[in-house]
Amino acid sequence: EVQLVESGGGLVRPGGSLRLSCAASGFTFTDYSMNWVRQAPGKGLEWVAFINSDATTMYYADSVKGRFTISRDNAKNSLFLQMNSLRDEDAALYYCARHTPCDYWGQGTLVTVSS
Amino acid sequence: QSVLTQPPSVSGAPGQRVTISCSGSRSDIGAGYDVHWYQQFPGTAPKLLIYANNNRPSGVPDRFSGSKSGTSASLAITGLQAEDEADYYCQSFDRSLSAWVFGGGTKLTVL
Repeated sequence: EVQLVESGGGLVRPGGSLRLSCAASGFTFTDYSMNWVRQAPGKGLEWVAFINSDATTMYYADSVKGRFTISRDNAKNSLFLQMNSLRDEDAALYYCARHTPCDYWGQGTLVTVSS
Repeated sequence: QSVLTQPPSVSGAPGQRVTISCSGSRSDIGAGYDVHWYQQFPGTAPKLLIYANNNRPSGVPDRFSGSKSGTSASLAITGLQAEDEADYYCQSFDRSLSAWVFGGGTKLTVL
């Protein structure tokens, strides 16, 4: 059974940093690209970042470019999102999702940005 | 503002057919990139509903279908059921942004 479990969310002050993790299981992690997608409370889905299977290609939404970094550890079946210079508008539920189209999603980890 | 434009809401009575549109441009849908559709119930993660314009993952009822033409795509739901009440999102790739983009989402209400 495919499972994606996010962690690392929490309360952070504007300008602060946070590192999200996504533990993958139930499939061959090295075969799949991965994404981070976020959803602000009461709002729609916003794609954040993509990384291909061997971490040679990454894409970012303009809203996070230069502040967020997506990475993966294929030996540990893990996906990461390093978030720096956090802003109020980065507050959201962050999902990791497998592949594009996103065929499996985690349950999300909540990031709150507030002073 | 989303790159892909969806109506904020649609509604229909049980048994009816409804469609949800997803309007893009020549840099995304019109450039030939596939459109995917997701269904999301309140408090839960999105679920892939249609992929590559008109393909259903295993387990998705054939009441759900997708189509694409020019710079737009549509999701059709026939034989509307109460349990179809959810939010629906389209997704494609935008070559000018080098980024995947979602539509703003459409809330389906079953009357």
